[in-house]
Amino acid sequence: DTAVSQTPKYLVTQMGNDKSIKCEQNLGHDTMYWYKQDSKKFLKIMFSYNNKELIINETVPNRFSPKSPDKAHLNLHINSLELGDSAVYFCASSQEAQGFYEQYFGPGTRLTVT
Amino acid sequence: GNSVTQMEGPVTLSEEAFLTINCTYTATGYPSLFWYVQYPGEGLQLLLKATKADDKGSNKGFEATYRKETTSFHLEKGSVQVSDSAVYFCALRSGGYNKLIFGAGTRLAVHP
Repeated sequence: DTAVSQTPKYLVTQMGNDKSIKCEQNLGHDTMYWYKQDSKKFLKIMFSYNNKELIINETVPNRFSPKSPDKAHLNLHINSLELGDSAVYFCASSQEAQGFYEQYFGPGTRLTVT
Repeated sequence: GNSVTQMEGPVTLSEEAFLTINCTYTATGYPSLFWYVQYPGEGLQLLLKATKADDKGSNKGFEATYRKETTSFHLEKGSVQVSDSAVYFCALRSGGYNKLIFGAGTRLAVHP
């Protein structure tokens, strides 16, 4: 059983398109995250949700919109894709939002914008 | 603001060599410190952690000691294996929410 899963694994699309990435966790965790890893492997948090409530919202273009239909799912929708959005996007989850709880990462979605 | 600085890679070693990957941090308060590992094609996995000064985190032969006086958390392993080839990330957590600040990552390549 995969703890944190993401779909799709690879996504190739053209500039200007709108796309979504889905994330699901079966760990019973309350908190989920989206990270972006650029071509130089630099990893930066984008968003975090706790019990479907947005708690971390970093400086991210408003073309990116996370949605959490329930505690087990956190999706990322990107409008009007740009070349600079090409990256690997990782979803993660942790038991709770406050204090240290290990974050479990998904396998990543490699987005290529042409 | 909070930040993490790691030595640039790639680090290339022969099997059974000694490994050190340097990590220093800047943070307000008393952060918790972590090392994550990313194997090729996979997500990140927690390798070890330390939550207060002088704590030593250890796992799978890797160790790191939280040094408040030098604001460092260097990763070490006495004898690396080919299977240790991966990207290693130093990270800190400071503040209420479980928000991690990562370093840029250091790629390790171990050759037989």
